[in-house]
Amino acid sequence: QSALTQPASVSGSPGQSITISCTGSSSDVGGFNYVSWYQQHPGKAPKLMIHDVSHRPSGVSDRFSASKSGNTASLTISGLQAEDEADYYCCSFTSSYTLVFGGGTKLTVL
Amino acid sequence: QVQLQESGPGLVKPSETLSLTCTVSGASITSHYWSWIRQPPGKGLEWIGYISYTGSINYNPPLKGRVTISVDTSKNQFSLKLTSVTAADTAVYYCARALGTGYDPFGFWGQGTMVTVSS
Repeated sequence: QSALTQPASVSGSPGQSITISCTGSSSDVGGFNYVSWYQQHPGKAPKLMIHDVSHRPSGVSDRFSASKSGNTASLTISGLQAEDEADYYCCSFTSSYTLVFGGGTKLTVL
Repeated sequence: QVQLQESGPGLVKPSETLSLTCTVSGASITSHYWSWIRQPPGKGLEWIGYISYTGSINYNPPLKGRVTISVDTSKNQFSLKLTSVTAADTAVYYCARALGTGYDPFGFWGQGTMVTVSS
């Protein structure tokens, strides 16, 4: 299985909104509503931010939202804050009952 | 609250077997799906495999044949064995638990343990 495709980096200024894409295929992202997003700060374990395409776990800021269209999922962070600077990974369930991550996107808050 | 803690050797010789254990507290190993995930230095996350105590197991296809995940209900632990390791297996290894009753998402993570493959 190939890793899902994410942009290597995105950036934005405080207060702005950014969107990170995650492209797969009909065998993963497009075939199931089981896409999740993780935030990872340097030296830390990843943190679940979004699950089942667009659901936020308890405690995650509503500045984080996500959606899916066809084989591409997207994570949007609005009202960017310095603390949002981190790596972000998407993950999808696949038709082989496996899981696959995206390559990761480094978010820089300018 | 649910806590996971990885343990095992930090250094493994090439061609040998990497063995790690994840000790779970605050939850029973007899529910949910449990996964291993790794991250080579400076690179992205790679799912290794999952297991449920009922015996449902699946592995990342590129690692099949080298990886075994098992559960020890008496110790509330699950384990990872990766055989014939090479330098490419050098990574931070995380154990994780699904948030709900499915295979994912990974709602709970250990802190990770660095494993270096080197002679």
